Amino acid sequence: DAGVTQSPTHLIKTRGQQVTLRCSPKSGHDTVSWYQQALGQGPQFIFQYYEEEERQRGNFPDRFSGHQFPNYSSELNVNALLLGDSALYLCASSLGTPRETQYFGPGTRLLVL
Amino acid sequence: QQQVKQSPQSLIVQKGGIPIINCAYENTAFDYFPWYQQFPGKGPALLIAIRPDVSEKKEGRFTISFNKSAKQFSLHIMDSQPGDSATYFCAANSDKLIFGKGTMLLVSP
Repeated sequence: DAGVTQSPTHLIKTRGQQVTLRCSPKSGHDTVSWYQQALGQGPQFIFQYYEEEERQRGNFPDRFSGHQFPNYSSELNVNALLLGDSALYLCASSLGTPRETQYFGPGTRLLVL
Repeated sequence: QQQVKQSPQSLIVQKGGIPIINCAYENTAFDYFPWYQQFPGKGPALLIAIRPDVSEKKEGRFTISFNKSAKQFSLHIMDSQPGDSATYFCAANSDKLIFGKGTMLLVSP
Protein backbone atom coordinates (compact mmCIF):
# COMPACT_ATOMS: atom_id res chain seq x y z
CA ASP A 1 0.00 0.00 0.00
CA ALA A 2 1.72 3.17 -1.22
CA GLY A 3 1.82 6.03 1.19
CA VAL A 4 1.74 9.71 0.28
CA THR A 5 4.23 10.54 -2.45
CA GLN A 6 5.55 13.95 -3.48
CA SER A 7 7.65 15.22 -6.34
CA PRO A 8 10.18 16.58 -6.84
CA THR A 9 12.20 15.93 -3.67
CA HIS A 10 14.30 19.06 -4.07
CA LEU A 11 13.98 22.19 -6.16
CA ILE A 12 16.01 25.36 -6.62
CA LYS A 13 14.36 28.47 -8.09
CA THR A 14 15.17 32.17 -8.31
CA ARG A 15 13.09 35.08 -7.04
CA GLY A 16 10.11 35.92 -9.25
CA GLN A 17 9.85 32.46 -10.78
CA GLN A 18 6.90 30.11 -10.47
CA VAL A 19 6.94 26.57 -9.11
CA THR A 20 4.59 23.56 -9.18
CA LEU A 21 4.78 20.79 -6.61
CA ARG A 22 2.92 17.51 -6.90
CA CYS A 23 1.34 15.08 -4.47
CA SER A 24 -0.31 11.67 -4.74
CA PRO A 25 -2.42 10.73 -1.72
CA LYS A 26 -2.36 7.48 0.19
CA SER A 27 -4.46 4.79 -1.47
CA GLY A 28 -8.12 5.23 -0.60
CA HIS A 29 -7.77 8.83 0.56
CA ASP A 30 -9.72 11.62 -1.10
CA THR A 31 -8.54 14.73 0.75
CA VAL A 32 -5.21 16.50 0.30
CA SER A 33 -3.80 19.24 2.54
CA TRP A 34 -0.67 21.29 1.94
CA TYR A 35 1.66 22.68 4.59
CA GLN A 36 4.74 24.90 4.60
CA GLN A 37 7.45 24.07 7.13
CA ALA A 38 10.18 26.64 7.62
CA LEU A 39 13.44 25.49 9.16
CA GLY A 40 13.04 24.87 12.89
CA GLN A 41 9.29 25.49 12.85
CA GLY A 42 6.13 23.43 12.86
CA PRO A 43 4.17 22.93 9.63
CA GLN A 44 1.83 25.80 8.71
CA PHE A 45 -1.46 24.97 6.98
CA ILE A 46 -1.77 26.38 3.46
CA PHE A 47 -5.01 24.86 2.15
CA GLN A 48 -7.01 21.67 1.79
CA TYR A 49 -8.66 20.13 -1.26
CA TYR A 50 -11.65 17.81 -1.32
CA GLU A 51 -13.73 16.80 -4.34
CA GLU A 52 -11.53 19.03 -6.51
CA GLU A 53 -12.49 22.13 -4.51
CA GLU A 54 -10.51 24.20 -2.01
CA ARG A 55 -12.29 23.45 1.27
CA GLN A 56 -10.14 25.32 3.81
CA ARG A 57 -7.38 27.92 3.50
CA GLY A 58 -4.77 29.15 5.92
CA ASN A 59 -3.18 32.58 6.14
CA PHE A 60 -1.24 32.49 2.88
CA PRO A 61 -1.35 35.02 0.02
CA ASP A 62 -3.03 34.40 -3.32
CA ARG A 63 0.39 33.63 -4.82
CA PHE A 64 -0.22 30.18 -3.38
CA SER A 65 -2.80 28.23 -5.35
CA GLY A 66 -3.66 24.62 -5.84
CA HIS A 67 -5.60 22.08 -7.75
CA GLN A 68 -6.98 18.61 -7.15
CA PHE A 69 -7.51 16.16 -10.00
CA PRO A 70 -10.26 13.54 -10.37
CA ASN A 71 -7.81 10.84 -9.20
CA TYR A 72 -7.37 12.86 -5.96
CA SER A 73 -3.77 13.85 -6.70
CA SER A 74 -2.96 17.49 -6.15
CA GLU A 75 -0.66 20.31 -7.19
CA LEU A 76 0.58 23.32 -5.26
CA ASN A 77 1.57 26.35 -7.33
CA VAL A 78 3.51 29.30 -6.03
CA ASN A 79 3.88 32.40 -8.22
CA ALA A 80 6.33 35.31 -7.94
CA LEU A 81 8.62 33.41 -5.57
CA LEU A 82 10.19 35.28 -2.66
CA LEU A 83 13.27 34.33 -0.67
CA GLY A 84 10.96 33.68 2.27
CA ASP A 85 9.17 30.94 0.35
CA SER A 86 12.20 28.69 0.91
CA ALA A 87 10.87 25.83 3.03
CA LEU A 88 9.86 22.19 3.12
CA TYR A 89 6.45 21.81 1.48
CA LEU A 90 4.47 18.92 2.88
CA CYS A 91 1.44 17.20 1.50
CA ALA A 92 -0.88 15.22 3.76
CA SER A 93 -3.78 13.00 2.80
CA SER A 94 -6.85 11.89 4.71
CA LEU A 95 -10.28 10.42 4.11
CA GLY A 96 -13.42 12.51 4.15
CA THR A 97 -13.97 15.14 6.80
CA PRO A 98 -11.29 17.63 7.92
CA ARG A 99 -11.25 15.99 11.35
CA GLU A 100 -9.78 12.69 10.19
CA THR A 101 -6.16 11.61 10.64
CA GLN A 102 -3.72 13.13 8.17
CA TYR A 103 -0.74 11.19 6.82
CA PHE A 104 2.22 13.13 5.52
CA GLY A 105 4.50 12.64 2.55
CA PRO A 106 8.27 13.17 2.63
CA GLY A 107 8.01 16.74 1.40
CA THR A 108 9.58 18.86 -1.31
CA ARG A 109 12.51 21.03 -0.23
CA LEU A 110 12.28 24.37 -2.10
CA LEU A 111 15.18 26.80 -2.11
CA VAL A 112 14.62 30.26 -3.57
CA LEU A 113 17.78 32.19 -4.46
CA GLN B 1 -6.97 31.46 19.73
CA GLN B 2 -5.74 29.20 16.96
CA GLN B 3 -2.34 28.65 18.59
CA VAL B 4 -0.95 25.49 20.10
CA LYS B 5 1.86 26.22 22.57
CA GLN B 6 4.47 23.49 22.97
CA SER B 7 7.26 23.11 25.52
CA PRO B 8 10.10 22.54 26.03
CA GLN B 9 11.84 23.62 22.83
CA SER B 10 14.51 20.96 23.36
CA LEU B 11 15.07 18.07 25.72
CA ILE B 12 17.97 15.75 26.54
CA VAL B 13 17.41 12.51 28.45
CA GLN B 14 19.46 9.42 29.10
CA LYS B 15 18.51 6.08 27.61
CA GLY B 16 15.69 4.57 29.65
CA GLY B 17 14.45 7.97 30.85
CA ILE B 18 10.91 9.29 30.39
CA PRO B 19 10.84 12.52 28.39
CA ILE B 20 7.63 14.53 28.76
CA ILE B 21 6.49 17.10 26.19
CA ASN B 22 3.65 19.48 27.00
CA CYS B 23 1.14 21.34 24.85
CA ALA B 24 -1.61 23.84 25.60
CA TYR B 25 -4.42 25.25 23.48
CA GLU B 26 -7.16 27.88 23.73
CA ASN B 27 -9.68 27.00 21.05
CA THR B 28 -12.35 24.73 22.52
CA ALA B 29 -13.43 23.77 18.98
CA PHE B 30 -10.35 21.55 18.71
CA ASP B 31 -11.52 17.94 18.94
CA TYR B 32 -8.59 15.82 17.80
CA PHE B 33 -5.03 15.95 19.13
CA PRO B 34 -2.32 14.02 17.25
CA TRP B 35 1.40 13.81 17.94
CA TYR B 36 3.86 13.55 15.08
CA GLN B 37 7.49 12.45 15.03
CA GLN B 38 9.83 13.92 12.46
CA PHE B 39 13.36 12.85 11.58
CA PRO B 40 15.70 15.22 9.68
CA GLY B 41 14.84 15.39 5.98
CA LYS B 42 11.61 13.43 6.42
CA GLY B 43 7.93 14.26 6.65
CA PRO B 44 6.11 14.06 10.00
CA ALA B 45 4.91 10.56 10.92
CA LEU B 46 1.80 10.06 13.05
CA LEU B 47 2.77 8.65 16.42
CA ILE B 48 -0.40 8.61 18.52
CA ALA B 49 -3.59 10.67 18.74
CA ILE B 50 -6.38 11.32 21.23
CA ARG B 51 -9.88 12.79 21.25
CA PRO B 52 -11.09 14.91 24.20
CA ASP B 53 -13.52 12.32 25.55
CA VAL B 54 -10.52 10.25 26.73
CA SER B 55 -8.04 11.29 29.46
CA GLU B 56 -5.22 8.91 28.56
CA LYS B 57 -4.16 6.74 25.64
CA LYS B 58 -1.24 4.32 25.42
CA GLU B 59 0.33 2.82 22.33
CA GLY B 60 3.47 0.84 23.03
CA ARG B 61 5.97 3.09 24.81
CA PHE B 62 4.02 6.28 23.97
CA THR B 63 1.31 7.72 26.22
CA ILE B 64 -0.83 10.81 25.77
CA SER B 65 -2.35 12.43 28.87
CA PHE B 66 -5.22 14.84 28.20
CA ASN B 67 -6.69 17.41 30.59
CA LYS B 68 -9.76 18.91 28.95
CA SER B 69 -10.55 21.42 31.72
CA ALA B 70 -7.00 22.79 31.67
CA LYS B 71 -6.82 22.60 27.85
CA GLN B 72 -3.50 20.81 28.09
CA PHE B 73 -2.11 17.54 26.79
CA SER B 74 1.24 15.84 27.01
CA LEU B 75 3.32 13.06 25.48
CA HIS B 76 5.31 10.63 27.63
CA ILE B 77 7.87 8.28 26.11
CA MET B 78 8.58 5.29 28.35
CA ASP B 79 11.99 3.58 28.35
CA SER B 80 13.32 6.06 25.76
CA GLN B 81 15.91 4.83 23.27
CA PRO B 82 18.53 6.63 21.15
CA GLY B 83 16.37 5.84 18.10
CA ASP B 84 13.65 8.07 19.60
CA SER B 85 15.90 11.10 19.01
CA ALA B 86 13.79 13.27 16.70
CA THR B 87 11.60 16.36 16.68
CA TYR B 88 8.13 15.88 18.13
CA PHE B 89 5.14 18.04 17.22
CA CYS B 90 1.81 18.24 18.95
CA ALA B 91 -1.13 19.37 16.88
CA ALA B 92 -4.81 20.18 17.28
CA ASN B 93 -7.54 19.83 14.73
CA SER B 94 -10.94 21.38 14.23
CA ASP B 95 -11.30 22.02 10.51
CA LYS B 96 -7.54 22.19 9.96
CA LEU B 97 -4.42 20.97 11.74
CA ILE B 98 -2.60 23.54 13.88
CA PHE B 99 0.90 22.51 14.95
CA GLY B 100 3.05 23.44 17.90
CA LYS B 101 6.57 24.67 17.22
CA GLY B 102 8.17 21.34 18.02
CA THR B 103 10.43 19.77 20.64
CA MET B 104 13.84 18.47 19.65
CA LEU B 105 14.51 15.34 21.73
CA LEU B 106 17.94 13.81 22.16
CA VAL B 107 18.22 10.46 23.93
CA SER B 108 21.82 9.81 24.93
CA PRO B 109 23.12 6.21 24.98
